[in-house]
Amino acid sequence: KQEVTQIPAALSVPEGENLVLNCSFTDSAIYNLQWFRQDPGKGLTSLLLIQSSQREQTSGRLNASLDKSSGRSTLYIAASQPGDSATYLCAVNYGGATNKLIFGTGTLLAVQP
Amino acid sequence: KAGVTQTPRYLIKTRGQQVTLSCSPISGHRSVSWYQQTPGQGLQFLFEYFSETQRNKGNFPGRFSGRQFSNSRSEMNVSTLELGDSALYLCASSLALTGGGEKLFFGSGTQLSVL
Repeated sequence: KQEVTQIPAALSVPEGENLVLNCSFTDSAIYNLQWFRQDPGKGLTSLLLIQSSQREQTSGRLNASLDKSSGRSTLYIAASQPGDSATYLCAVNYGGATNKLIFGTGTLLAVQP
Repeated sequence: KAGVTQTPRYLIKTRGQQVTLSCSPISGHRSVSWYQQTPGQGLQFLFEYFSETQRNKGNFPGRFSGRQFSNSRSEMNVSTLELGDSALYLCASSLALTGGGEKLFFGSGTQLSVL
């Protein structure tokens, strides 16, 4: 069964700290992996998309890495800000003629001012 | 460019009723997917459409159905509502159905409460 797990489930850090969110997937035959952000009661915003052939992607203070062989991805957030407070979700696409995503359980991040 | 639009934003229904949710994808996008989000189960894939054809379906009962129109707009319908159907229903669109090459863009969702 294809499952995606995120650790930790919740994280609270002081402003300015660098942090790492983890995502694990059981089936390593992925096409790509996306990291999303979700604010309370809202939809999802795509942050980074890593293709299976890539090792990492960067956007501003965000860096996502992918290690298919170990079934893991990490999202690194540098110099965290209170505005980064949200739930972060990773999602795996196993490809074929589909955009079906299998989502992780999410990490609720609180950045304290 | 307008984003993915979902209507209505909130819905309150009673058990046994049926409901129809609407999703307008980003202009030019031809693929539309639907997801259900609940505190207990997280985000689960419902189904996806491309060029008016259902291409993939998740593990939901037949009470959940959908369709896509020629302008790519999509609707999902839930019949005989149950309390457990209370959830945030999210729609996502992308340009095509390339099997992994594209970002998905999500709407803000429809929050359905079944009483």
